[in-house]
Amino acid sequence: DTAVSQTPKYLVTQMGNDKSIKCEQNLGHDTMYWYKQDSKKFLKIMFSYNNKELIINETVPNRFSPKSPDKAHLNLHINSLELGDSAVYFCASSTRAPQREQYFGPGTRLTVT
Amino acid sequence: GQQVMQIPQYQHVQEGEDFTTYCNSSTTLSNIQWYKQRPGGHPVFLIQLVKSGEVKKQKRLTFQFGEAKKNSSLHITATQTTDVGTYFCAGRSNFGNEKLTFGTGTRLTIIP
Repeated sequence: DTAVSQTPKYLVTQMGNDKSIKCEQNLGHDTMYWYKQDSKKFLKIMFSYNNKELIINETVPNRFSPKSPDKAHLNLHINSLELGDSAVYFCASSTRAPQREQYFGPGTRLTVT
Repeated sequence: GQQVMQIPQYQHVQEGEDFTTYCNSSTTLSNIQWYKQRPGGHPVFLIQLVKSGEVKKQKRLTFQFGEAKKNSSLHITATQTTDVGTYFCAGRSNFGNEKLTFGTGTRLTIIP
C-alpha cells in the first residue's frame, strides 16, 4: 500500500501547455505540501494545505495553482508552462503534531521542451 | 527569509570511512529534522531533534543539535554502500509553524 502517491511519474510537455499533477495520501494526515526540487537538488516548499485550507503559499508564480478537494488529495495545476518549470515535484503529507515528520511521494519529473 | 546551509555540498569517501555533514541556520530553530534521499528516490525522514544540545543515535548514525539551536550535524561511522544518497537537514523556526526549510543537502558517494 503506497502511503503518498503521485501521478504521473513522468511528464514531458511543450512550453505554453497546461498540465496537472495529482497527489493522494492514505495516512490519515491533515496537512499536505508541494515541493519543487531543481537540478541542483535544492528542495523548496511551494504550498501547504491543512484540512483543505491553504496555510503556506511561498513566492511562486501564479501560473501554479494548488487545489485540495479533501484532506487526502492535493493537486497542482500549472498554466503556460515554461522551460524553468522543469524539475521534480514532490508531494508530502504530515500530521500537525507532535513530530510532524513529512512523508514524501515518489515525485513527478516534469520536463518542459 | 530563513536560510539553511549545509556543508560540504559533495563528499566522496572510501567504504568504511566516516562521514559528517554540517547544517547551519540563519535563525534559531525550534526543531530540526534530517532526511535521506537515495539517488532517483524521494526524501525519507530519519530523525527529529528538539532540545538544545540534543544527541541521538541510530545504529551508525549520530545526530546532534547545537546549544544555540542554530546548527546541527549528522555523523556516519564506517560508511557502507547503502549510505549513498543526499542528506538534508530541515528546520522549523517557530513551534506550530508548518513550514520546514530544507538545507542545501550533502550528496554522499561511496567508493567501494
